[in-house]
Amino acid sequence: AQKVTQAQTEISVVEKEDVTLDCVYETRDTTYYLFWYKQPPSGELVFLIRRNSFDEQNEISGRYSWNFQKSTSSFNFTITASQVVDSAVYFCALSGVSTKTSYDKVIFGPGTSLSVIP
Amino acid sequence: NAGVTQTPKFRILKIGQSMTLQCTQDMNHNYMYWYRQDPGMGLKLIYYSVGAGITDKGEVPNGYNVSRSTTEDFPLRLELAAPSQTSVYFCASSYVGVPREQYFGPGTRLTVT
Repeated sequence: AQKVTQAQTEISVVEKEDVTLDCVYETRDTTYYLFWYKQPPSGELVFLIRRNSFDEQNEISGRYSWNFQKSTSSFNFTITASQVVDSAVYFCALSGVSTKTSYDKVIFGPGTSLSVIP
Repeated sequence: NAGVTQTPKFRILKIGQSMTLQCTQDMNHNYMYWYRQDPGMGLKLIYYSVGAGITDKGEVPNGYNVSRSTTEDFPLRLELAAPSQTSVYFCASSYVGVPREQYFGPGTRLTVT
């Protein structure tokens, strides 16, 4: 069975601090995809990144970086020099690749609520 | 570019009433989805559609129905509303289905009392 765990329910940091959001996943698939989404207070989920299981290179996009480690089944998300606008709920998600069906379910983690205090 | 739009944004229903949540996308995406989000539980898939005329159940389909007569529209019907259906409902769409990223609407906050 597939599962996504985000053990940190809520995190508070002071502006300009670095913060890492943890994501641990379980899957028996050899090919799978991992995602991060951001849900700001306005409510709409916004896609941040997608990573496939064959690409373990870390990725950096501005103040955001992602560390994918298959050995520990983790796909952690770090925000450097956090800002108030980073305050949101962040969801990690997992999807396999099925050859039998036309749709592969996306499993979302429970989310981590990040508050950045000015 | 409107993306994915949902109406209404808020709704209060009495137990036993019915309603339809509207969802429209203008990105010509083949795949569309309905999720519900309960506090601290992430998103659960209710129904999905891989194209006009094709729909299928997700994880939590009981109490809901969908139709997909056009590529753009994917309405969600609640029949005989129950308090357990109090939630925030999100419609999403994607091109070519997973594992592509999904584009979400702003959500509908539904309360059943």
